[in-house]
Amino acid sequence: QQQVKQSPQSLIVQKGGISIINCAYENTAFDYFPWYQQFPGKGPALLIAIRPDVSEKKEGRFTISFNKSAKQFSLHIMDSQPGDSATYFCAASREDTGNQFYFGTGTSLTVIP
Amino acid sequence: SQTIHQWPATLVQPVGSPLSLECTVEGTSNPNLYWYRQAAGRGLQLLFYSVGIGQISSEVPQNLSASRPQDRQFILSSKKLLLSDSGFYLCAWRGWGGRKSGANVLTFGAGSRLTVL
Repeated sequence: QQQVKQSPQSLIVQKGGISIINCAYENTAFDYFPWYQQFPGKGPALLIAIRPDVSEKKEGRFTISFNKSAKQFSLHIMDSQPGDSATYFCAASREDTGNQFYFGTGTSLTVIP
Repeated sequence: SQTIHQWPATLVQPVGSPLSLECTVEGTSNPNLYWYRQAAGRGLQLLFYSVGIGQISSEVPQNLSASRPQDRQFILSSKKLLLSDSGFYLCAWRGWGGRKSGANVLTFGAGSRLTVL
C-alpha cells in the first residue's frame, strides 16, 4: 500500500510560472512532511519541510501548503526558473518511531525558458 | 558538520558477479542508516535500514544484503548480481537537522550507479 501518493508524474511549466505538486497521505500519525529535490545523477536534497501544526511554510520561492483534515500537502514553486528543473519527492514520517520515511513516486519538473 | 560518503560512484558489473557498495558517515554517532534504490525514472525504494551496529531491517526480499560492521559504516552486498539489480543506489542517514528544520531529517549521499550487463 502506497503510504504517500504524489501527482503529477511529470510537469512542464513556462519560466516565471507557478509549479504545483500534490501529495496525499494515509497515516494520521505522520508528523513530519519534507520535500526533496533531485537533480540528474545526484542524491535527493532536502528542500523544505513542514509539521502538521502549521498550514503553510514559505522559504523563498518555495511554499508548502498543508491541509490536515484532507491529509494533503503540496509544494508551490513561484516564479519557476529553468534551474528548478529536477525531480521532486514528497515524504512523510513519524518523529517518535521515525525509522522510515515514506516517499511519493516523484514528479519530474521541466521549466521551459 | 556531518557528511556522508558513498563509493564507488559508478560500477559496471557482469551478471553473476558479486557486489559491494560502501557508505560512511562522518560527524555524528549512532545514526540511523538507510539504503534506497532508484530504478531509472522511478521513485525511491527502501531496501534496508539500520538503527545500530549489526542491526539490519530488510524491507524488500531480494538478491541483496546489508551489513553494518561499524557505527558509521553501512555496506550493501550481493553474492550474484542479476540484471534487475541495475539502478541508482542511495545511502542516507537520519539525524537532527538543526533548529531550522526542528526535526530529524534524512540526508542522502551522492549515490552509486550500478549497471549489470
